[in-house]
Parts: sequence; structure tokens; C-alpha cells
Amino acid sequence: EDKVVQSPLSLVVHEGDTVTLNCSYEVTNFRSLLWYKQEKKAPTFLFMLTSSGIEKKSGRLSSILDKKELFSILNITATQTGDSAVYLCAVEKIGRSGGSNYKLTFGKGTLLTVNP
Amino acid sequence: KAGVTQTPRYLIKTRGQQVTLSCSPISGHRSVSWYQQTPGQGLQFLFEYFSETQRNKGNFPGRFSGRQFSNSRSEMNVSTLELGDSALYLCASRGTSHDEQYFGPGTRLTVT
Repeated sequence: EDKVVQSPLSLVVHEGDTVTLNCSYEVTNFRSLLWYKQEKKAPTFLFMLTSSGIEKKSGRLSSILDKKELFSILNITATQTGDSAVYLCAVEKIGRSGGSNYKLTFGKGTLLTVNP
Repeated sequence: KAGVTQTPRYLIKTRGQQVTLSCSPISGHRSVSWYQQTPGQGLQFLFEYFSETQRNKGNFPGRFSGRQFSNSRSEMNVSTLELGDSALYLCASRGTSHDEQYFGPGTRLTVT
């Protein structure tokens, strides 16, 4: 059975801190790993990672995938109160023609609270 | 471009009733997936539709069903509601298999 485990489950930091969120997975026919941010509404897409060792960056957020050790990390530097949210990690498998099989398996998420 | 829309946003039903939720994907997206989100189980995949055909199904009982119309809009139906069906139901649409999924705002279903 496919499995995605995120750690920690929750984290409380002060503004300006740097945080690292972890996601490990066990899935056959792995295609990609995705990170989402969820506030009190729909998850919003952050990153899609398919290749090992290549860092993706967007402002203060960055993420990297290790396909050999089967994990990914999401880093947030200089955290702000607006970063408070649940961060979700999901994996998808290879479907027909090498693309996605269109079924995401999610971890339980990490609840990040950034205090002023 | 308009995002994924879901109706209704909130719903309260009684045990034993049935419910239909609706999802309109981003224009041009033909794949629509449904997910159930609960505090205990997190986000779980229900099913995925493409060109009116169900291509993938998660591990949910037969009370959960869906369909997709020729304009790619999708509906999800839950019959004989149980208290445990209380959840946020999220719909997501996707362009090609190499794109990411975009989620709608969800329908919050409460079963009493």
C-alpha cells in the first residue's frame, strides 16, 4: 500500500525563524511529489518535484527531492505569520504514456504556526 | 481564467439522506478528481473522471458515486449518509497528465 508520512505533525515558531518540513514516501511506480499549502480553504499548489537533487525555489520557499532515500523537504526561511497553514505532501504514480495516473496520495500534513 | 468552482459550499444533511455535490473545472480541463478530507484520515482520493469515464477509484464504499458530463462538469453523490461522511469534499481539475492539480474551495458536508 502506498504511504506518505509527514513530520513533524505540528510546529510552532516565531517570525523570522527558518523551518524544515519533512515528507517520506513508499510508493511503487513513483512519478512525482507535490507540496501544497492549505489555509482554511482549498489546498494551493507550491511545488512539483520529479527529479532527484534539483531544488525548486519560490521566494522564501524551497524544496528538494531525494529519490534514493525516498523523501523530500520543504524549507521556509524568514517565516511570516502569513505562512501559518497546513502543509501537505502528496505523491503520484506513473500512469499511461508516462504521465500521471491522476491519483494523489496525501500525507496527514504539518500544521505550521508562526507567532509574531 | 476562472478557477475550480464547487457548489454548494456548505450543506447539512440528516443520516440516511442522500446528497449531490457539484464541481466545475477550470475551462479546458477534462480531468476532475474528488477527495474527502477529515481530521482523522486527512485527504483521501475518491475517484477521477476524464471525458465522462471514471478512470480511477479510491477505497470508498459503493455509496459514493460520481459522474462527469460532456462539458467536464462533475457531480458526486453520497447515498444513505452516515455520521462519518461529515467532511470537506474537494474537487480538483487538471489539464494534461504533466500538469499539477488545481483544487476548488470545497463543500463542507455535515451529517447530523
